[in-house]
Amino acid sequence: GNSVTQMEGPVTLSEEAFLTINCTYTATGYPSLFWYVQYPGEGLQLLLKATKADDKGSNKGFEATYRKETTSFHLEKGSVQVSDSAVYFCALSGEPIQGAQKLVFGQGTRLTINP
Amino acid sequence: DGGITQSPKYLFRKEGQNVTLSCEQNLNHDAMYWYRQDPGQGLRLIYYSQIVNDFQKGDIAEGYSVSREKKESFPLTVTSAQKNPTAFYLCASSEQGIYGYTFGSGTRLTVV
Repeated sequence: GNSVTQMEGPVTLSEEAFLTINCTYTATGYPSLFWYVQYPGEGLQLLLKATKADDKGSNKGFEATYRKETTSFHLEKGSVQVSDSAVYFCALSGEPIQGAQKLVFGQGTRLTINP
Repeated sequence: DGGITQSPKYLFRKEGQNVTLSCEQNLNHDAMYWYRQDPGQGLRLIYYSQIVNDFQKGDIAEGYSVSREKKESFPLTVTSAQKNPTAFYLCASSEQGIYGYTFGSGTRLTVV
């Protein structure tokens, strides 16, 4: 079945540091890939997505490239801020079945940015 | 503004009681989902519904039940058969042809 493996956390960085959170996946066919962010006590918000190989998703300074050859979708940001502190989830979706998409999530990576 | 509303935000239940979590969306999305989140375990799919009056079990459906009588609403009942119900429950919806979910803000259920 489909699965997602994320870099284990927690990750602690200083402000303005470079961020990488690794994500690899196992899937049949051609999944779509996502990064979601969760702030304390809240639901998940879509950060970025990519729906085919070599696509780059980007938003709020975060980027991730869909690499089919390495089955990876690593999240990067060049200069993190304290406000980026949150839990980040990598996820994949196979082809929709009768309009429903079953997203499979990684275990999440807690990121803390110190001033 | 369109979105998903989950209520209540916090819920306490005594052992042996059933409890129903509310999820309402005004996004006109056809598909809706319930996930459970436990610390360090990511999200696990409980039930999903592609359309009104139809729903499917996810990976951890035992001890839960759902209904989908209206497009806007997808309530989840946590029954007394659920052995470890304390968790954060998230409802989501998706639009046909658009990949990805919109999430509600969640309900934290604690069994006391």
